[in-house]
Amino acid sequence: EIVLTQSPVTVSVSPGGRVTLSCRASQSVGTHLVWYQQKLGQAPRLLIYDASNRAPYIPGRFSGSGSGTDFTLTISKVEPEDFAVYYCQQYENWPPITFGQGTRVDIK
Amino acid sequence: VQLVESGGGLVQPGGSLRLSCAASGFKFSLYSMNWVRQVPGKGLEWISFITASSRTQYYADSVKGRFTISRDNAKNSLYLEMDRLRDEDTAVYYCARDSTYISVAATFDSWGQGVLVTVSP
Repeated sequence: EIVLTQSPVTVSVSPGGRVTLSCRASQSVGTHLVWYQQKLGQAPRLLIYDASNRAPYIPGRFSGSGSGTDFTLTISKVEPEDFAVYYCQQYENWPPITFGQGTRVDIK
Repeated sequence: VQLVESGGGLVQPGGSLRLSCAASGFKFSLYSMNWVRQVPGKGLEWISFITASSRTQYYADSVKGRFTISRDNAKNSLYLEMDRLRDEDTAVYYCARDSTYISVAATFDSWGQGVLVTVSP
């Protein structure tokens, strides 16, 4: 089973600021990694697929990068609606499909 | 695209429950589907997958042998039969559509709102 470790657990950022989230895989997943955003009380929403491609209707301030075992999600110019929990998920080697434990982005 | 789960509630340990997910707004019969759960305040856990034709099903080890995924393409519905429920099965259960039709992406581009299952004496 591929284990995904996200860091930090929580990060605080001011609106308009920039934040970078990390996801590290226990073995290579190529670029078979996605990112989701989950706001309080809502279902997750797909943000990034294949490590770096924005899903439809996702704003350009969200960007993903990485391959192999190290990945990042960057939010540039954070908007108030971006405060949420972000999860990475791998689909290189499944089942099981595995998620990271999440990173919470809080208002500073 | 709309996915609406139902069937959650309170059940005693060792009991059974059947969740349903009604799909609309897309050609349900072309997409693989999944169940993902989330303990309140915790992270996401994938638990089951079924192909569009129902030919293939996969399960997480945590539910294998106790949960059964199925679908009825004529009714645009996905199901999760949960038996021998345990305290640790308490969670919000989401149905989630695979991102790719006909083939399989193993990523989830549409989610239901979730249904709470509480396992408690």
